[in-house]
Amino acid sequence: GESVGLHLPTLSVQEGDNSIINCAYSNSASDYFIWYKQESGKGPQFIIDIRSNMDKRQGQRVTVLLNKTVKHLSLQIAATQPGDSAVYFCAENPPSGNMLTFGGGTRLMVKP
Amino acid sequence: SAVISQKPSRDICQRGTSLTIQCQVDSQVTMMFWYRQQPGQSLTLIATANQGSEATYESGFVIDKFPISRPNLTFSTLTVSNMSPEDSSIYLCSVAAGGYQETQYFGPGTRLLVL
Repeated sequence: GESVGLHLPTLSVQEGDNSIINCAYSNSASDYFIWYKQESGKGPQFIIDIRSNMDKRQGQRVTVLLNKTVKHLSLQIAATQPGDSAVYFCAENPPSGNMLTFGGGTRLMVKP
Repeated sequence: SAVISQKPSRDICQRGTSLTIQCQVDSQVTMMFWYRQQPGQSLTLIATANQGSEATYESGFVIDKFPISRPNLTFSTLTVSNMSPEDSSIYLCSVAAGGYQETQYFGPGTRLLVL
């Protein structure tokens, strides 16, 4: 089996509830942020991104919120489904180029 | 987004040997990256694979241990040399179109176990 996520913080939610996954980023100069979803045995999958000139961006069932004052990013998933179970990573991109720095990750478990 | 494949998908290797991992993209991309994901942890950038020149390595990673090739805009290889059990990880390649702060898309990863 896959070992990704074994030692990561875990968020357990009931199917149908909303999920909020939080991330503290490190570089106050970072101006581009991405959320990735990683299922067992797979590579990270792009979910949604946001640039620093915005504080909120919505996708299909997902919303990303950015608070630059406290260097905080959150991912909200509406009506969480069993297929949302995965490890979620935030990543920040400083203005110097295309280098991503990844956060520690959160494992989301959806209970049926 | 680009379709990215990696070979092998997984391998079990003996210490002291080397393994070359291939990354193939279905379209030309300017930027390709190699990451390592140790068991239960997040992703760490190893290097940027530069087409036609030497790769740019991040702190803690050296060319002798992780030689990288990038012969064209759709292909790159990462070699893990003289492996030890500490090299057991998932190795991921990612690509970006090349514009400023473009989204990176990841391959499925290569799961390496060193005995």
